Amino acid sequence: QSALTQPRSVSGSPGQSVTISCTGTNSDIGGYNYVSWYQQHPGKAPKVMIYDVTKRPSGVPDRFSGSKSGNTASLTISGLQAEDEADYYCCSFAGAYIYVFGTGTSVTVL
Amino acid sequence: EVQLVESGGGLVQPGGSLRLSCAASGFTFSIYWWHWVRQTPEEGLVWVSRINPDGSTITYADSVKGRFTISRDNAKNTLYLQMNSLRVEDTALYFCARVTSGQPHLDYWGQGILVSVSS
Repeated sequence: QSALTQPRSVSGSPGQSVTISCTGTNSDIGGYNYVSWYQQHPGKAPKVMIYDVTKRPSGVPDRFSGSKSGNTASLTISGLQAEDEADYYCCSFAGAYIYVFGTGTSVTVL
Repeated sequence: EVQLVESGGGLVQPGGSLRLSCAASGFTFSIYWWHWVRQTPEEGLVWVSRINPDGSTITYADSVKGRFTISRDNAKNTLYLQMNSLRVEDTALYFCARVTSGQPHLDYWGQGILVSVSS
C-alpha cells in the first residue's frame, strides 16, 4: 500500500494549463479505471473533481480533465484561475476494497 | 443538504484509545459505503478503513489493522472508528467520507476531527 507518486508542486499563470501526474503500479492505477482526483483548499475538506479517470461530477468546471496511460494518471487544469490554487490528490482503487492516495501536489497560480 | 459531522477527537497518550463518530444527515445513510481517511502535513491524505452498507465487509490499511475497528449504526445514521493502542504516528486529522455503491470515489467528506497522540 505505497502512496502514489505526485510532483510536490506545479505552477502556472492565469489562463495557462497545468498537468499533474500520478504514478502507481499495475496493482492500482494500471489495474483499474477507478482513479479520482480531489481538490483541497486550506482548512477545508477535500472535494472530488474527477472520478473514474475522466468523469466530472456535476458542478465541476470543464477546464478540469483527467486521463490515464498505463500506470500513470493525469489531471489537467486548462485556463488556470486564481481559485484553482489548492492542493490536489489522486486516489486509486487497489483491489480487495483497498484505496491508495497520492502524495499530493500544491498548485500555485502565479 | 448533506451534512457529516465528526466528533470524539482529542489528545490521548500513547497506548490509549479514542472513538470517533461521524453523524450523517440529509440523505439515506444506510445505502452508502463509508470510509475513514486521515491527513498529516507530512503524508497528506492516507486511506484508513472502509465498511459496506450492512457492515458485513470491512477493510483496513495495514498501518491500523488489528488496532482500529470501523463500525456503523444505520438506525442512528452514524459511522464510528474505535482506535486502540494509539501511537504517536496516528496523530492526524481524521475525515469520514461517503461512497456510492458502484462508484468507487469519495463524493462527500466531513470537515475532519483532530486526533493527537502524545505523552
